[in-house]
Order: sequence, then C-alpha cells, then structure tokens
Amino acid sequence: SQTIHQWPATLVQPVGSPLSLECTVEGTSNPNLYWYRQAAGRGLQLLFYSIGIDQISSEVPQNLSASRPQDRQFILSSKKLLLSDSGFYLCAWRTTGREQYFGPGTRLTVT
Amino acid sequence: ELKVEQNPLFLSMQEGKNYTIYCNYSTTSDRLYWYRQDPGKSLESLFVLLSNGAVKQEGRLMASLDTKARLSTLHITAAVHDLSATYFCAVGAGYNFNKFYFGSGTKLNVKP
Repeated sequence: SQTIHQWPATLVQPVGSPLSLECTVEGTSNPNLYWYRQAAGRGLQLLFYSIGIDQISSEVPQNLSASRPQDRQFILSSKKLLLSDSGFYLCAWRTTGREQYFGPGTRLTVT
Repeated sequence: ELKVEQNPLFLSMQEGKNYTIYCNYSTTSDRLYWYRQDPGKSLESLFVLLSNGAVKQEGRLMASLDTKARLSTLHITAAVHDLSATYFCAVGAGYNFNKFYFGSGTKLNVKP
C-alpha cells in the first residue's frame, strides 16, 4: 500500500530564516506530487506540482521554491521566510486516473 | 482560471436533519472529488465522481455529479455529530486532469 510522509510536523521559524519541508511517498512509482498551503480557516492554495523528476510547475509567484531530486521526494524551500508564509503545508500525490492523497501536513508559524 | 464555488461556507444543523452542500465550477470537467478535513488534520478522500450522472454513497453521505450543469452535490441524511468537519470539493482539469482546483470548503457543525 502507498503511504506519504511529511516532516517536520510543526515548525516555528523567525522572519528571514530559511525553510525546508520534505515529502516522501512510498509504494508507488512516478507519482504526480503537489504542494498546497492552507491559511487558518481557509481553503487550499496550490503552490507547486510535479509530473516527474525536475519537472515542476509553479502556480503562484512567491518566495517559495520546490525541487524533486528523486522520483518520490518533493521538497519545498524558501531562502527568507515572510510572516505571510505561515500556514498548514500539505503534500499530496496522485497517479493518473486517481484522486489526490494527502500527507499529514506541516504546520508552519513564522514569528 | 477554473473557479470552484461551494455553498454554504458554514452550516450549522441539528442531528437528524438533512442538508445539501453545493459545488459549482466554471469550466467543463467530469472529474469531481470530495474530501473531508477534521480540525488540525489533513484531507481525507470521500468520493470520486468520474462521469455525468455519477452517484456515490457512503453511510449518511451521498455525492452526485451533473457535468452539464457543472454542479456537484454532497447530501447529508440524518446528520450525526461525527459528521462535523470541513468538506471540500475539487475539480480535476488540465492534461490528465493533473491539476485539482479546490473550493473554499464548507464547515459543517452538527449539534447534538
């Protein structure tokens, strides 16, 4: 069966500090991978999606970036965090014809 | 850009009552998904609707899709407190329906 991991689960970072969030998927090959952000009490904002290694689409211009160094690994990064980057970050995976499956999420607070 | 609108955004109802959540979307698609999110948790897949007229039921929840009207509904029958959560619909679009566009969510509170 497939599983998706995200870490860390929670993170408190000061403004201007760097960020690295990691997502890995087990039990499937060549999945589509997604990063979403959810502000408190709000819906999901698609940040990045990837259909393969080094194939990443950015949906929203911002100070975040994403990389996919391996087939089942997706990393979200920032060089300098802003207060507005606070939120619940969700990674998801999908294979063709299926729905998206979400990881447990990382709650980021920028202080 | 594809727009997905859910209504209502907030729903407070008594146990035992019926209600429907609506999901309208702005462009042609026959890929519609419903998710549930509990407070502080991730999203859990509820239903996958892949064609016009599709209907899926699980317990007290039933989802349907009308692609001609660009409308999906999530019907709640005889609500119970355990159904309290936020419900999202999502529309698949683009090549291989790779991109999902989510509605704003409907926060459901079922009062005992």
